[in-house]
Amino acid sequence: EVQLLESGGDLIQPGGSLRLSCAASGFTFTSYAMAWGRQAPGKGLEWVSTTSASGLTTNYADSVKGRFTISRDNSKNTLFLQMNSLRADDTGVYYCATYGTRPPAPFDYWGQGTLVTVSS
Amino acid sequence: EIVLTQSPGTLSLSPGDRATLSCRASQSLARSSLAWYQHRPAQAPRLLIYGASNRATGVPDRFSGSGSGADFTLTLSRLEPEDFAVYYCQQYYRSPLTFGGGTKVEI
Repeated sequence: EVQLLESGGDLIQPGGSLRLSCAASGFTFTSYAMAWGRQAPGKGLEWVSTTSASGLTTNYADSVKGRFTISRDNSKNTLFLQMNSLRADDTGVYYCATYGTRPPAPFDYWGQGTLVTVSS
Repeated sequence: EIVLTQSPGTLSLSPGDRATLSCRASQSLARSSLAWYQHRPAQAPRLLIYGASNRATGVPDRFSGSGSGADFTLTLSRLEPEDFAVYYCQQYYRSPLTFGGGTKVEI
């Protein structure tokens, strides 16, 4: 059974930094591209970032480019999202998701999410 | 950026009813690179349909997807109580990946 467990969400002041983690199990992590998405309060789903299976290729939404960095540790089946210069509009639930073995692809499986609140 | 417009915003229906949800793209999606997701409150989003019309693993056959080009439809043939949720379409044809604004199916 595919399991994705996000952690690291917290209340953080504007301008601060946070690192989210996503522990993956139940599938061959090293074969899958991965993604982060988010949902702001009362809003819809939004794509944030993707990374290839090797981690060598990454893409970002314009809203986070230059502030967020996606990475992965394939030896530990873990995906990360380093979030810097956080703003109030970064508030929301952050989800990790599988992005297929040959992207572009749909997000096959999602985690339950971790809440990030950016507020003073 | 490919913009996805979903309609209606809200569907008020009863168990056993048929639901028809629409998703229109601002440009044609080659290879029908469109997916549908179900999102219940406080749960992980769930992939229902990929490639416009292919059901994901474990998805009941009361869910069906159709369409091509820029116009797509998700149909729920007979609503079950657990189907009341928000449904999103997503295009994965071109970066940035984009989602529609969602359709809420409520009782």
